[in-house]
Amino acid sequence: GAVVSQHPSRVICKSGTSVKIECRSLDFQATTMFWYRQFPKQSLMLMATSNEGSKATYEQGVEKDKFLINHASLTLSTLTVTSAHPEDSSFYICSAGGRDTEAFFGQGTRLTVV
Amino acid sequence: AQKITQTQPGMFVQEKEAVTLDCTYDTSDPSYGLFWYKQPSSGEMIFLIYQGSYDQQNATEGRYSLNFQKARKSANLVISASQLGDSAMYFCAMRELIKAAGNKLTFGGGTRVLVKP
Repeated sequence: GAVVSQHPSRVICKSGTSVKIECRSLDFQATTMFWYRQFPKQSLMLMATSNEGSKATYEQGVEKDKFLINHASLTLSTLTVTSAHPEDSSFYICSAGGRDTEAFFGQGTRLTVV
Repeated sequence: AQKITQTQPGMFVQEKEAVTLDCTYDTSDPSYGLFWYKQPSSGEMIFLIYQGSYDQQNATEGRYSLNFQKARKSANLVISASQLGDSAMYFCAMRELIKAAGNKLTFGGGTRVLVKP
């Protein structure tokens, strides 16, 4: 099946720094990718839809200046958490799928801001 | 209103027995898809099974089957012959194919399953 690769799997950063998370579709082209956030013991919440060659679409309540999304190619989307703070610590996971019946997820990134 | 509801926050099941995880959904979109994912403690989202709203038969994938009752808007997951490795969080999700832009998935709150030896 299709594979989505996400990197890094874990990252610890200092408060005030920025962190970039990459999401790659390895064997298919993805014009759209999705970024989710998951707090402990909670469900996945969609943050934004990443659109290749155009601006991302953010869900209500998600700060677009804090969570920068870039989708510069058909196989790569990046999420940058800018000026990270401890409350940004969470599990971030991306997904992509070539067809309506598909939705493949990356391995996820556990971000800890200290 | 919640689009996807999983009413069982957690449940125990005896090894080798079957377990049913409930999922109800709410949509006015005539075309939609329903997904089930397994999330072990590592965090990865493992795709289990898919049911399209126009599919005539219930989906099955190995030990997983989906009890799709369209009129009741339910899509329960049945895991047969539970194994210790089935212990994980299970999420039901829906993709609305016409009204929602971008094919995004909406997730239920999840059900934690613990298989007892």
